[in-house]
Amino acid sequence: DTEVTQTPKHLVMGMTNKKSLKCEQHMGHRAMYWYKQKAKKPPELMFVYSYEKLSINESVPSRFSPECPNSSLLNLHLHALQPEDSALYLCASSQLFGTPRDSGYTFGSGTRLTVV
Amino acid sequence: AQTVTQSQPEMSVQEAETVTLSCTYDTSENNYYLFWYKQPPSRQMILVIRQEAYKQQNATENRFSVNFQKAAKSFSLKISDSQLGDTAMYFCAFASTFGNEKLTFGTGTRLTIIP
Repeated sequence: DTEVTQTPKHLVMGMTNKKSLKCEQHMGHRAMYWYKQKAKKPPELMFVYSYEKLSINESVPSRFSPECPNSSLLNLHLHALQPEDSALYLCASSQLFGTPRDSGYTFGSGTRLTVV
Repeated sequence: AQTVTQSQPEMSVQEAETVTLSCTYDTSENNYYLFWYKQPPSRQMILVIRQEAYKQQNATENRFSVNFQKAAKSFSLKISDSQLGDTAMYFCAFASTFGNEKLTFGTGTRLTIIP
């Protein structure tokens, strides 16, 4: 299995809703990432988990709450979002550099989020 | 902090021709990784090619090859015999080998292959 699976593919939520994005990989990667991508822009890093521990938070507002329950799963909990948070949310995973078979980053196909 | 610059926002080329996408970067590190990613309208970010800075030989993957000039901090992507399926956004990206695993992207080049 060489894929990163993200669900749902599309999500529309109101500003008072609580929802979660899910990401799963079974490649044995020990680093997992959340990126936010606005239209015609490059992905912007939000969070990095290494060995299931949060290692980077790029000053993301607290209405975004990441969670890494185990080495294969990564969640992004959403609460009280704003319309400007509408974007494509990409999950990625990687083997940590310097470890065997490090092969770069593998991305999921993303969740298209619309906040109304 | 590392920066990645792609100076060509858009490019177009006839099918079967060769096209080169430019990328420059800035870093004080001696060893690092460079990537080219392709993002078609389907939005999946697909790894095209990868280069490790300590390897002097340029990476190649079928029709895709890079020209890695470490001293000039340049990492261009050449696509030979371009195909309609190559139409996509192409991002150059940098990753350090030290500390965190952050991947830094350039602003992207939108490539259109014309039939």
